[in-house]
Amino acid sequence: QLQLHESGPGLVKPSETLSLICNVSGDSISSRSYYWGWIRQPPGRGLEWIGSVYYSGTTYYNPSLKSRVTISVDTSKSQFSLRLTSVTGADTALYYCGRHGYFGVRGPYYLDYWGQGTLVTVSS
Amino acid sequence: DIVMTQSPDSLAVSLGERATINCKSSQSVLYSSNNKNYLSWYQQKPGQPPKLLIYWASARDSGVPDRFSGSGSGTDFTLTIDSLQAEDVAVYYCQQYYSSPQTFGQGTKVEIK
Repeated sequence: QLQLHESGPGLVKPSETLSLICNVSGDSISSRSYYWGWIRQPPGRGLEWIGSVYYSGTTYYNPSLKSRVTISVDTSKSQFSLRLTSVTGADTALYYCGRHGYFGVRGPYYLDYWGQGTLVTVSS
Repeated sequence: DIVMTQSPDSLAVSLGERATINCKSSQSVLYSSNNKNYLSWYQQKPGQPPKLLIYWASARDSGVPDRFSGSGSGTDFTLTIDSLQAEDVAVYYCQQYYSSPQTFGQGTKVEIK
């Protein structure tokens, strides 16, 4: 059974960099059939896709965050990571990692597995 | 960006009755080359991550009860919950993955009347 687990600091100061890791277990992060993504949800609000990465390092980013976001993959550690620079209070959210299906046409697709999420608060 | 608009924002349904949630995309999410609608539905219960219910607009994910069904094509989609159960109380989201950035609807809260 696939499991994803987010980890990282729960508190980040304004203007600093938010860094999270998603550990993947129960399946190969190097599979050609999946992308791996980050999604966030501000408290009491809806879902926002941040971006996704393929095992090869190919990435897709949300243009609204693109200038501040880097998503990378480390297949040797079976993990992928999120870096978000110059954070503000608007970046306070529950951050989820997830797995996207993909079979090569207009991907990545829907998210079939999600981590439990990690709350990141931006505050001094 | 493709804007996803759900209606209603919330609804209250009696146990055993049908709940219907609509989702409209600002442009078609039907890819003509494979005739697939790049549209999914998720259920999110309080304190839990979203759970995939439906993908390709009408394909039910493994283990999802058959009272959940998805329909529609192009720009208009519907999630139907037949015979609402107490455990179906949740917020439901549609999502398009036709083009980047992937976008979600604002969510529809389903409660028991």
